[in-house]
Amino acid sequence: SAVISQKPSRDICQRGTSLTIQCQVDSQVTMMFWYRQQPGQSLTLIATANQGSEATYESGFVIDKFPISRPNLTFSTLTVSNMSPEDSSIYLCSGSSALGTDTQYFGPGTRLTVL
Amino acid sequence: RKEVEQDPGPFNVPEGATVAFNCTYSNSASQSFFWYRQDCRKEPKLLMSVYSSGNEDGRFTAQLNRASQYISLLIRDSKLSDSATYLCVPIGGKLIFGQGTELSVKP
Repeated sequence: SAVISQKPSRDICQRGTSLTIQCQVDSQVTMMFWYRQQPGQSLTLIATANQGSEATYESGFVIDKFPISRPNLTFSTLTVSNMSPEDSSIYLCSGSSALGTDTQYFGPGTRLTVL
Repeated sequence: RKEVEQDPGPFNVPEGATVAFNCTYSNSASQSFFWYRQDCRKEPKLLMSVYSSGNEDGRFTAQLNRASQYISLLIRDSKLSDSATYLCVPIGGKLIFGQGTELSVKP
């Protein structure tokens, strides 16, 4: 199994600012993903973080709004840019050893509130 | 049609009861599934993997019906600590989560 940590655990931000969330895995994982979970909703996949190349974004999510980095197999960042109150959500990082065939482990999430 | 659909509930059951809920999926190529549980304000945690027709782990039994394209989760002898949201996820490609089924076990 993998242990995943995220920083910050929560933040309150002003409209128009940006926040970068860090995700650290205690072992090398092949796949890393970023999800968003809005209040009362299930998880929505934002993007797959690819090591050393641009992330692969899902429909409705774009790089300008959610730039992602993954410099190595154990670390990734997600930035929420030019925030608005609609971005208030929990952002979760996950990792797995193989695409869809291995268990995905989740970080504890970052609770973001935008005022 | 959504890739994964679940009855959102909530399912309110007394302690000790048996409860079951289903997850239907649209991709007939899906062969295997994860069931995750998510406690309030926490991250999802893996409950069970289902790689064949079913799986049993203690009080939890999952069954996969490929003909009708649904997977069920049965919980026997419900405990208060079983209260959570249960998420069904087809394995293969990206993980697309269902909306989850909320279970509340009352004393």
